[in-house]
Amino acid sequence: GQQLNQSPQSMFIQEGEDVSMNCTSSSIFNTWLWYKQDPGEGPVLLIALYKAGELTSNGRLTAQFGITRKDSFLNISASIPSDVGIYFCAGPNDMRFGAGTRLTVKP
Amino acid sequence: DAGVTQSPTHLIKTRGQQVTLRCSPKSGHDTVSWYQQALGQGPQFIFQYYEEEERQRGNFPDRFSGHQFPNYSSELNVNALLLGDSALYLCASSSLAGLSYNEQFFGPGTRLTVL
Repeated sequence: GQQLNQSPQSMFIQEGEDVSMNCTSSSIFNTWLWYKQDPGEGPVLLIALYKAGELTSNGRLTAQFGITRKDSFLNISASIPSDVGIYFCAGPNDMRFGAGTRLTVKP
Repeated sequence: DAGVTQSPTHLIKTRGQQVTLRCSPKSGHDTVSWYQQALGQGPQFIFQYYEEEERQRGNFPDRFSGHQFPNYSSELNVNALLLGDSALYLCASSSLAGLSYNEQFFGPGTRLTVL
């Protein structure tokens, strides 16, 4: 199926740093979803976005629904070791997932 | 309240064999979706079941089939296994309530290895 373009593929950061990742699509979306997957687990929903331009926060996480409706961004502020994992963006109704951004946080 | 459960946890099969994976949805959920996640990739949507019917299907061959039971649990069957079918198979459940989106809760997955 059609994949979303997610970048970067991986990130290695120091604890306390901010993180930014993004996702783009060739088609317009009416929903953007961001998930985190820990080893041995299924993905867990972090943030859901429903309107173009929408900016939504969940603790240290902030996500934005791009104005063009073809992209979305996820930011993590003041990273901590438990932020380690793979972050996925997903399109409408979870039918399409990006390839993921693998985040490593060094203490 | 148990979340989504899947069985078995791990499975090893050989090419040409058939496999059945099982999923029990979260309590109160009536919709089950199945995904295939290859190593280093995001989940790929296989199909979704609601009211014991296949509601939507992704780009997977007919070798992949499913079933939903009256208690909302579901099975994923894969026939004539290929090496490329090796992956983590995820089940997700949700509740169809006429909304544009209902959050899906994922199980831990079944790791299938085809030799």
